[in-house]
Amino acid sequence: EIVMTQSPATLSVSPGERATLSCRASQGVSNNLAWYQQKPGQAPRLLIYAASTRAPGIPATFSGSGSGTEFTLTISSLQSEDFAVYYCQQYNNWPLTFGGGTKVEIK
Amino acid sequence: EVQLVESGGGLVKPGESLRLSCAASGFTFNNAWMTWVRQAPGKGLEWVGRIKSKAAGGTTEYAAPVAGRFTISRDDLKNTVNLQMNSLKTEDTAVYYCATPAGITAAGYAAWGQGTLVTVSS
Repeated sequence: EIVMTQSPATLSVSPGERATLSCRASQGVSNNLAWYQQKPGQAPRLLIYAASTRAPGIPATFSGSGSGTEFTLTISSLQSEDFAVYYCQQYNNWPLTFGGGTKVEIK
Repeated sequence: EVQLVESGGGLVKPGESLRLSCAASGFTFNNAWMTWVRQAPGKGLEWVGRIKSKAAGGTTEYAAPVAGRFTISRDDLKNTVNLQMNSLKTEDTAVYYCATPAGITAAGYAAWGQGTLVTVSS
C-alpha cells in the first residue's frame, strides 16, 4: 500500500498570504494525484486532479504541481473561505490512499 | 445538477449488519465507477471500495480493513449503489460518503454525497 504523508499537519497563515502544502508518496505515483478541500460538517471538494489540473469551478488561486513522489498544493492568496483541511490522494496504485490531511488555520 | 444522496446509516451493535444506499442523479450513472469513502470522527478520509461500471466489468475492489465483510453492488435501473456491511466492528464507526467523477473530471472524485453516519457501539 502506498503511504501518503502530508506536511505540515497544521499551517497557520494570515489572510492574503500564500500557503504551500506538501504531499509525499512512499513510492512513485506518476501524476495520478488529487487534492481535496474539506470544511467542518461538509463533504470533501475536489480541487485538483492529475497533480496540476484544476477541477471545474476551482479558482486560479489554487495550483498543484509535482510528479512521482513529491507534490505541492499552493494557495496563492488565502481568503477566509480557504481555511479548511486539505487532503491529497493517489490513484495510481491499488488500494487508493489518502494523506492524513493539512489543516490551514487563520494566523 | 449532479446529486448523490446517501441513506441507511444508524446505530448498530458490534457483529450486526447494515446496508447503505446512494441514490444518484444528474449524470449517466451506468457509465460511472462508484466509490465509498469513510471518515471516522475527527479523523481523515479512508477509501473503502469501489464498483466499476458494467461496461468495465462491474467488478469490485475493497480496502483491506473491510474486505470479506463489506460488499458493494449497483442497480443501474434505479441509479443506486449499495454498501452491505456485515460483522461490523466499533472501528467501522464513521461517516460514509459515496463519490464518483460523474463525468465531470477525468479523475478524482468530483461529486460527493452529504454522507451518512454509521455508529457501531454496544
